[in-house]
Amino acid sequence: DQQVKQNSPSLSVQEGRISILNCDYTNSMFDYFLWYKKYPAEGPTFLISISSIKDKNEDGRFTVFLNKSAKHLSLHIVPSQPGDSAVYFCAAFASGTYKYIFGTGTRLKVLA
Amino acid sequence: KAGVTQTPRYLIKTRGQQVTLSCSPISGHRSVSWYQQTPGQGLQFLFEYFSETQRNKGNFPGRFSGRQFSNSRSEMNVSTLELGDSALYLCASSFRTGQETQYFGPGTRLLVL
Repeated sequence: DQQVKQNSPSLSVQEGRISILNCDYTNSMFDYFLWYKKYPAEGPTFLISISSIKDKNEDGRFTVFLNKSAKHLSLHIVPSQPGDSAVYFCAAFASGTYKYIFGTGTRLKVLA
Repeated sequence: KAGVTQTPRYLIKTRGQQVTLSCSPISGHRSVSWYQQTPGQGLQFLFEYFSETQRNKGNFPGRFSGRQFSNSRSEMNVSTLELGDSALYLCASSFRTGQETQYFGPGTRLLVL
């Protein structure tokens, strides 16, 4: 039972354009969401998070949007840079469980 | 502040052997979680330790076990290794106070031959 899904295994975007990575979840108990970036042979690096009481959080070039009714979140990267090429994981957390559920990841390739 | 460290970084074992991996969390963090990453499977949760007690467990067989010491350092053990255990094993630490970020170590790449 995959509670957190990233349905696009890969995405290619031209440098300077917007990258949009999507994530869907099924458990309405999730109340905190995170995005991580992972380079090969390294551990995931935290990017940005959002609490379920918000619908948007912004940090520089990265913005996360949360649509609770659709159980959907997305990560926008504007403008995309070649260094953004990596695998992006979304994760969901339900307070009280202290368990983070991760999606399967989306490989982003930013073309120069 | 030093990040999460994991040792060893790379390991080659043969089927049937056992292996122990180590994780030192960020100073002050008392929660350590372990994940297995294989191609196409994302990060699969193994277990979480807090104050030397296992608080959460994923859907892995009993061959996978762990422990946490009083200084919050954690070890993960896999007995009777199988080819399918080849993966990147990641640990992550946090304060465990609520909605918060987990910080990951670089991982241990295990290859079972």
